[in-house]
Amino acid sequence: KQEVTQIPAALSVPEGENLVLNCSFTDSAIYNLQWFRQDPGKGLTSLLLIQSSQREQTSGRLNASLDKSSGRSTLYIAASQPGDSATYLCAVKGTRDSNYQLIWGAGTKLIIKP
Amino acid sequence: GAVVSQHPSWVICKSGTSVKIECRSLDFQATTMFWYRQFPKQSLMLMATSNEGSKATYEQGVEKDKFLINHASLTLSTLTVTSAHPEDSSFYICSAEQGWGNQPQHFGDGTRLSIL
Repeated sequence: KQEVTQIPAALSVPEGENLVLNCSFTDSAIYNLQWFRQDPGKGLTSLLLIQSSQREQTSGRLNASLDKSSGRSTLYIAASQPGDSATYLCAVKGTRDSNYQLIWGAGTKLIIKP
Repeated sequence: GAVVSQHPSWVICKSGTSVKIECRSLDFQATTMFWYRQFPKQSLMLMATSNEGSKATYEQGVEKDKFLINHASLTLSTLTVTSAHPEDSSFYICSAEQGWGNQPQHFGDGTRLSIL
């Protein structure tokens, strides 16, 4: 059974720092991995989608990597800003599940201090 | 592109009322739609998966008679919380997917349901 773990659960850093959020998964049989952002009381914003054949994806100050063989993904945020404060969720879609459902990590709550 | 609209965004109603939440894919046809529930400070919990024209597949522990899902077209799915009680108060989020397998899920903005 696929399990997704996100470390750390919470992170607080000063503005301007570069930071890395981690996501690990136990079953490498995946279609893709997505990173999402969720602001308090709000829905989800998709940040990056990495297909299983890809190694990384970039969008602006965000870079996500995928190492399927080791079951790891990282989300790198460059030059962090207070507006980056949110909960970041990763989710994997496994190939063994006929419903194509996403398996979620518990999230990393990020606080960027001005 | 790939916009999912969820309505209403906020509902407050009395215990015993039935509440319907709509999820629409605005610019694509959704092969599959998913309904999630999220408790405060927790991650998303999948409630059910629905495919157009067929019965929804409910996750273990989710009462299908309490949470009625209808996926009548490729762009619309509805979740009806029947005879809602305070313990049903939660944040409900839908998502939609076009195609199969390696496609991304696109999420609505969620519905905050408060039962008095």
